[in-house]
Amino acid sequence: EVQLVESGGGLVQPGGSLRLSCAASTLTFSDYWFHWVRQAPGKGLEWVANVNQDASKTYYVDSVKGRFTISRDNAKNLLYLQMNNLRPDDTAVYYCARAIAAADCVWGQGTTVTVSS
Amino acid sequence: QSVLTQPPSASGAPGQRVSISCSGSKSNIGLNHVNWYRQLPGTAPKLLIYSNDQRPSGVPDRFSGSKSGTSASLALSGLQSEDEAEYYCAAWDGSLEAFVFGGGTKLTVL
Repeated sequence: EVQLVESGGGLVQPGGSLRLSCAASTLTFSDYWFHWVRQAPGKGLEWVANVNQDASKTYYVDSVKGRFTISRDNAKNLLYLQMNNLRPDDTAVYYCARAIAAADCVWGQGTTVTVSS
Repeated sequence: QSVLTQPPSASGAPGQRVSISCSGSKSNIGLNHVNWYRQLPGTAPKLLIYSNDQRPSGVPDRFSGSKSGTSASLALSGLQSEDEAEYYCAAWDGSLEAFVFGGGTKLTVL
């Protein structure tokens, strides 16, 4: 069974940076689009970004454009989200997900990011 | 304000059938597939329906999805207490070049 495990969350001051990682236990990592989705406390799901199989295509929600960068390392089965210039409204649980709109969709358990002074 | 509009709540008695709506526009639901997710408190979302009406392996046929024009709906038949959860619709939006979620519907089993 495929597992996705996020890490890298924590407490950071406004304006700071964090890099989230998502480790995939699958030999077919490079076959799929991957996504980051977040959920602020008590709020709904918000898609953040995605990346295609060879990282030639990336898309972002408007609120993170220019601040966040999604990337992947297919040799290491790792997905990343570099988050710069963090704001309090970036506080959320961040989930990585594989193939978010396909039969073999898999979600990680999430990692918590708190932006506060 | 979410791009896709869902009712904030829905309810039904055990054994009944309930439907949750999702309204969008041409750039998302009108031209792209709709997906549905279920989220239990404190846990990650789970895909229930993809490509408007397809169930992933392991999702019981009590769950069904449909789409018409710029709207979609999720139907749950034979309601069970364990169906109490938050349900989200989502679709790719070609104009925004972003994946968009509905605001979520909290389902209560009476």
